[in-house]
Amino acid sequence: GAGVSQSPSNKVTEKGKDVELRCDPISGHTALYWYRQSLGQGLEFLIYFQGNSAPDKSGLPSDRFSAERTGGSVSTLTIQRTQQEDSAVYLCASSAGQMNEKLFFGSGTQLSVL
Amino acid sequence: GENVEQHPSTLSVQEGDSAVIKCTYSDSASNYFPWYKQELGKGPQLIIDIRSNVGEKKDQRIAVTLNKTAKHFSLHITETQPEDSAVYFCAAKFEGGGADGLTFGKGTHLIIQP
Repeated sequence: GAGVSQSPSNKVTEKGKDVELRCDPISGHTALYWYRQSLGQGLEFLIYFQGNSAPDKSGLPSDRFSAERTGGSVSTLTIQRTQQEDSAVYLCASSAGQMNEKLFFGSGTQLSVL
Repeated sequence: GENVEQHPSTLSVQEGDSAVIKCTYSDSASNYFPWYKQELGKGPQLIIDIRSNVGEKKDQRIAVTLNKTAKHFSLHITETQPEDSAVYFCAAKFEGGGADGLTFGKGTHLIIQP
């Protein structure tokens, strides 16, 4: 498809388990972002990838969170030892350039930690 | 860092009336101000943006105004329709200020009453 694709759309897990969330950005987009959206809250920046540069991890809330982007395309966000407060919608976005013009968002992954 | 305040959190208007959402920002160096619309179950989508060298921008029923002196910007929707019902997010960005993406407001839930 032409848009940003995220999978799974919904994920229910037990506290303490690890989860992996996947993002397929728009082909050719060099910038990729992960955001977290908690109920009734705004969009919390997590991590940013730009081309082959080292990612900006300044928004990751703890060392249980990590992300990688293979081959400059697909990205995976991993949350280890999930906690209930990790429950949220995780949104991925991509953009064509380094100057963060127009972000294209996926529909997100709804993560529920029981 | 940048701080963006958005008001109101919920706005209910009669179909056909106008809606206004306001945001303030803290970093006077911010120079890019986009607005995103998020429909239920979807990711946010850019609807309009403005740069600091422009005071107003209009696109059909949507307009954005910027007051750099007061550090606030507003979204105006005229002749509201049922499909305008969504959550709207404002954001601010200092271009070149780092790779941490945009700073978003907490969102406004716009309800169009038939």
